[in-house]
Amino acid sequence: QKEVEQDPGPLSVPEGAIVSLNCTYSNSAFQYFMWYRQYSRKGPELLMYTYSSGNKEDGRFTAQVDKSSKYISLFIRDSQPSDSATYLCAMSGTLRAGGTSYGKLTFGQGTILTVHP
Amino acid sequence: NAGVTQTPKFQVLKTGQSMTLQCAQDMNHNSMYWYRQDPGMGLRLIYYSASEGTTDKGEVPNGYNVSRLNKREFSLRLESAAPSQTSVYFCASRGGPTYSNQPQHFGDGTRLSIL
Repeated sequence: QKEVEQDPGPLSVPEGAIVSLNCTYSNSAFQYFMWYRQYSRKGPELLMYTYSSGNKEDGRFTAQVDKSSKYISLFIRDSQPSDSATYLCAMSGTLRAGGTSYGKLTFGQGTILTVHP
Repeated sequence: NAGVTQTPKFQVLKTGQSMTLQCAQDMNHNSMYWYRQDPGMGLRLIYYSASEGTTDKGEVPNGYNVSRLNKREFSLRLESAAPSQTSVYFCASRGGPTYSNQPQHFGDGTRLSIL
């Protein structure tokens, strides 16, 4: 079983729709959660970075973390064709002095999203 | 505002050839990382350097070596390329103190094909 599971999609929605992207994880040591957006032939670009359970909003994007259920989500409101990309969830654990995994991220497989006009 | 720069962007090699992928960051970050991305596999960590002068193996280090040349530069070397190493390679860097949890910032990748 992978430490992080992400619905691979692909997901196709009409412009203006609300999009929900989800990841589940099994490692309770994960404390920091990120969403990256990756356009075709580009590197991942950081969208959201959260630590605590609850919601974090940035414009049309809302990241939700539920540590008790080991579940994170990214919601996109009023989706646009420019939102068409692959979305990757990523997470990391608490760093400890003397550890060997400083800042190591574990990624989901990515969800391919297409928003059509 | 370059961020993380990777060279080359594309490369085709023959089996058995060697090659070094270059990565440089201009954000004064302490930590740097090399990943490979394959369809259905997500991003997998090859090697990382928590700080200048240190390197450690990640999830899939076999067939690769790395050098942290200075604080800015972190290179990835394939000594004897194999078709299984055909992939897109990403370099990333992370700021803040070594023990911090700042997110990573990525370059735009090197697309490598091994025939």
